[in-house]
Amino acid sequence: GAGVSQSPSNKVTEKGKDVELRCDPISGHTALYWYRQRLGQGLEFLIYFQGNSAPDKSGLPSDRFSAERTGESVSTLTIQRTQQEDSAVYLCASSFAGVSMYEQFFGPGTRLTVL
Amino acid sequence: GNSVTQMEGPVTLSEEAFLTINCTYTATGYPSLFWYVQYPGEGLQLLLKATKADDKGSNKGFEATYRKETTSFHLEKGSVQVSDSAVYFCAPYNTDKLIFGTGTRLQVFP
Repeated sequence: GAGVSQSPSNKVTEKGKDVELRCDPISGHTALYWYRQRLGQGLEFLIYFQGNSAPDKSGLPSDRFSAERTGESVSTLTIQRTQQEDSAVYLCASSFAGVSMYEQFFGPGTRLTVL
Repeated sequence: GNSVTQMEGPVTLSEEAFLTINCTYTATGYPSLFWYVQYPGEGLQLLLKATKADDKGSNKGFEATYRKETTSFHLEKGSVQVSDSAVYFCAPYNTDKLIFGTGTRLQVFP
């Protein structure tokens, strides 16, 4: 497709369950980012992948959060043993390269609700 | 650490009014500065950017000037339209990532 896609668009889960969120970046984009947006708050950086370099995981809030990326394509964000405070919109973005001159293109997000 | 402060919303204006949304930041060095916009039901998209001091970014009638001395990047538009209703995010780019503000919701009424 032409843009960044994310799936599912909505996910409702029970506390304690694991969830996987998927991001398909724009083809050719080497940089991929995950952000979290809680209700009424700004975007929090979670993790950043750039090519084959080790990812920048400095924004992951706990060890229940992890992410993988296969080459320069799909990425999955996994949240284990979900908690109610994990409820948020999770946004994925990609860019041609991880430098400021390149625009980040955002997906529509996955809205996660933990009951 | 790096942070961004935006004016709280919602900002409510009548069509053709002048808009200012304030943004100040703290960051290491002199980061590139961005404004992103999120229209209702749509994803975040880049509105404008400035990469060095005194640069002015502009797009769709919006402008913002990189003010190094006040570490600010205020967004302005001379005459807003109903279609400008959206949430606006100020974001400096620093150490490989965007640092987002909390967003300012703009509501424009006819």
